[in-house]
Amino acid sequence: SAVISQKPSRDICQRGTSLTIQCQVDSQVTMMFWYRQQPGQSLTLIATANQGSEATYESGFVIDKFPISRPNLTFSTLTVSNMSPEDSSIYLCSVEEDRATGLFFGSGTQLSVL
Amino acid sequence: ILNVEQSPQSLHVQEGDSTNFTCSFPSSNFYALHWYRWETAKSPEALFVMTLNGDEKKKGRISATLNTKEGYSYLYIKGSQPEDSATYLCASYNFGNEKLTFGTGTRLTIIP
Repeated sequence: SAVISQKPSRDICQRGTSLTIQCQVDSQVTMMFWYRQQPGQSLTLIATANQGSEATYESGFVIDKFPISRPNLTFSTLTVSNMSPEDSSIYLCSVEEDRATGLFFGSGTQLSVL
Repeated sequence: ILNVEQSPQSLHVQEGDSTNFTCSFPSSNFYALHWYRWETAKSPEALFVMTLNGDEKKKGRISATLNTKEGYSYLYIKGSQPEDSATYLCASYNFGNEKLTFGTGTRLTIIP
């Protein structure tokens, strides 16, 4: 099973600033997924990060707001840009080794924007 | 837009009692149903991935059933223990949507 190291675990940020979240996987994986969970809401997929190509964003999410890097098969970053209080959420990265075992998740980043 | 719904939203159960909760999902173009347990300050952990109608899976005191024709799954916990306190998420994968759609979860608290 994949082990994912995600950091930071939490942060409190000022409106208008940006935060970059990092995820390191202990094995090579083709796709990495970035999710967020706003208070009282379900886990929502932001984008799928593929190595060597641009990330694929879900409806309602754009690259300018959530730029993603995927420099190799074990690492990815998600930046939350020009933050507002509405960006206060838990952000999670995840990978899927095969469809029979489900997703493996990082430990999450609890973001609060003041 | 696919809707995955879970009920109840939260639940308090006495230690030692058994409990269950529900996930409903779109039955059309169904491929797989996932259950995850998410403890506070930890990563969500996959419990079950189920694909076949009538599937029943078990892991220790936790089991799940799947009805793909009517679009629901039950998660059962037998003899609840304090360490079962967590949020339980289900997620559906349907062809044509090409991503997991999560419910909002059932937050379970076991009372010692």
